[in-house]
Amino acid sequence: AQSVTQPDIHITVSEGASLELRCNYSYGATPYLFWYVQSPGQGLQLLLKYFSGDTLVQGIKGFEAEFKRSQSSFNLRKPSVHWSDAAEYFCAVVSTSGGSYIPTFGRGTSLIVHP
Amino acid sequence: ETGVTQTPRHLVMGMTNKKSLKCEQHLGHNAMYWYKQSAKKPLELMFVYSLEERVENNSVPSRFSPECPNSSHLFLHLHTLQPEDSALYLCASSQGGAIYTGELFFGEGSRLTVL
Repeated sequence: AQSVTQPDIHITVSEGASLELRCNYSYGATPYLFWYVQSPGQGLQLLLKYFSGDTLVQGIKGFEAEFKRSQSSFNLRKPSVHWSDAAEYFCAVVSTSGGSYIPTFGRGTSLIVHP
Repeated sequence: ETGVTQTPRHLVMGMTNKKSLKCEQHLGHNAMYWYKQSAKKPLELMFVYSLEERVENNSVPSRFSPECPNSSHLFLHLHTLQPEDSALYLCASSQGGAIYTGELFFGEGSRLTVL
């Protein structure tokens, strides 16, 4: 079964600084990979996804993520963080075998942005 | 209305009550999900209805009972809950099958408090 690890529970950055949120997955083949964001009191919203092809994926709100097969990682990055980026971020993986396509989510990383 | 709508947004109930959570999606999707979100835990998949087939997490207690009368509506019936069931319950939908895109569209959640 696939699993997702987000090693950082909290990340604190200053506004304008760069950001990297880590995500590692465990799966025998190349899965589908996703990053979602959840603002307080809201549901989750998709930031970006990777299925195949170019390993650097661009998403909404200036976010990007890079798939590294050798490290089983799919880290989320942003060059300059805005105060409105403070939220909970979830990495998710979907198995590409079996046909069920049900995502498994990580525990989430809470991003705190200092002015 | 657009997207995924959940009602009620907040629910307080006693352990002997019977209540239901409702979810409606206006996206034309063919799969709907219930997730449980507890503080500092991974999102827990409870139930999936996909292309008329129900998939469930076998660890979900029987006091939670889903109902999916059609592809646009999903209910979660609650009966004799425990205080540890207090959580945010998220509904999501997706387009599965041959035109699978991977993206889940979430509602804003129903915050449940069991006294």
